[in-house]
Amino acid sequence: GAVVSQHPSRVICKSGTSVKIECRSLDFQATTMFWYRQFPKKSLMLMATSNEGSKATYEQGVEKDKFLINHASLTLSTLTVTSAHPEDSSFYICSARTLDRGLNEQFFGPGTRLTVL
Amino acid sequence: GNSVTQMEGPVTLSEEAFLTINCTYTATGYPSLFWYVQYPGEGLQLLLKATKADDKGSNKGFEATYRKETTSFHLEKGSVQVSDSAVYFCALSDKGYGQNFVFGPGTRLSVLP
Repeated sequence: GAVVSQHPSRVICKSGTSVKIECRSLDFQATTMFWYRQFPKKSLMLMATSNEGSKATYEQGVEKDKFLINHASLTLSTLTVTSAHPEDSSFYICSARTLDRGLNEQFFGPGTRLTVL
Repeated sequence: GNSVTQMEGPVTLSEEAFLTINCTYTATGYPSLFWYVQYPGEGLQLLLKATKADDKGSNKGFEATYRKETTSFHLEKGSVQVSDSAVYFCALSDKGYGQNFVFGPGTRLSVLP
């Protein structure tokens, strides 16, 4: 159990278009979801934290109008990269936190590689 | 603020060699500590964790002990395999392991046959 999926796993888009990435908790309810960005050969950088039904909290330096986060349900959060540019190319990873079954753990998705041409 | 420091890589070892990847942290309070592994092209997988001082996390032959006095959580494995080649991230969470993580920069390990 405790599986987090992301879709798509890879996406290539043209500069100026918008891209939506989905993060789903498959077998548990996620009270909180986190979005990270990983540059090549670098560590993960937390972008934002989202709680179901409320606005996301963005980390300093992350443009909320650029990276739109919607946490519509307890099993789904989406990250939309608006008007993507080549510098947005990166590996985006989500994670989900659950309080189910008395647990307090965070599980990571497999990541989405975004390439903007 | 909280931070995690890891030894610089890449680390290249021969199969069956002993592995140590150093990790030290700075945090207020009593964080939980983790090691995550990332195989090429994949997301992060939890390798092991420890939630209080002197706890030892272990999994797949890897182990790490939470040392509060030295603020360290070094990763060790007695005999590495080619399949252990990956990037290893040390991380902490200062509000229990459901909350925000702070990751180290990662250490790339290559194991040669």
